[in-house]
Amino acid sequence: GDSVTQMEGPVTLSEEAFLTINCTYTATGYPSLFWYVQYPGEGLQLLLKATKADDKGSNKGFEATYRKETTSFHLEKGSVQVSDSAVYFCALSDRTGANSKLTFGKGITLSVRP
Amino acid sequence: DTAVSQTPKYLVTQMGNDKSIKCEQNLGHDTMYWYKQDSKKFLKIMFSYNNKELIINETVPNRFSPKSPDKAHLNLHINSLELGDSAVYFCASSPSGTHGYTFGSGTRLTVV
Repeated sequence: GDSVTQMEGPVTLSEEAFLTINCTYTATGYPSLFWYVQYPGEGLQLLLKATKADDKGSNKGFEATYRKETTSFHLEKGSVQVSDSAVYFCALSDRTGANSKLTFGKGITLSVRP
Repeated sequence: DTAVSQTPKYLVTQMGNDKSIKCEQNLGHDTMYWYKQDSKKFLKIMFSYNNKELIINETVPNRFSPKSPDKAHLNLHINSLELGDSAVYFCASSPSGTHGYTFGSGTRLTVV
């Protein structure tokens, strides 16, 4: 079945540091890939997505490139801020239509200190 | 207006009780979901409905019964609550044929 593997956390960085969060996936078809963010006490928000190989999703300074050859979708940001402190989830969906669903990785907690 | 709204936001109840969580979306989406987030933050799908029809049921105990009175609502009823049911439950919706998922803010259920 489908699965998403994220690097182990938590991750603690200083403000303005470079961020990389690794994500790899296993899927039978050609999935769409997502990064979701969950701020403390809140629900999940879509951060970015990519629907086909070599696509780059970007939002709020975060980027991730869909790499089919390495089955990866690593999240990067050049300079993190304290406000980026949250839990980040990598996810995939390999179907559209009525039986679409998201399969999530385990999430990683990012703490950014001033 | 909140796109996907869940009520209640917090729910504390005793073992053995029956409780319901409600979800409504005003996005006109065809598909709605329930996800469970455990204490380690892991998210797993429980159910999905498309136009009031059950599509996905992911090995969830029979004590959990979703109900969709119309395509804008998906409620979750839980019978005989157990300690292990304590979690955050998220409702979500998406239009059919796309990957545009929108999540609610979650319901934190605590069973004591």
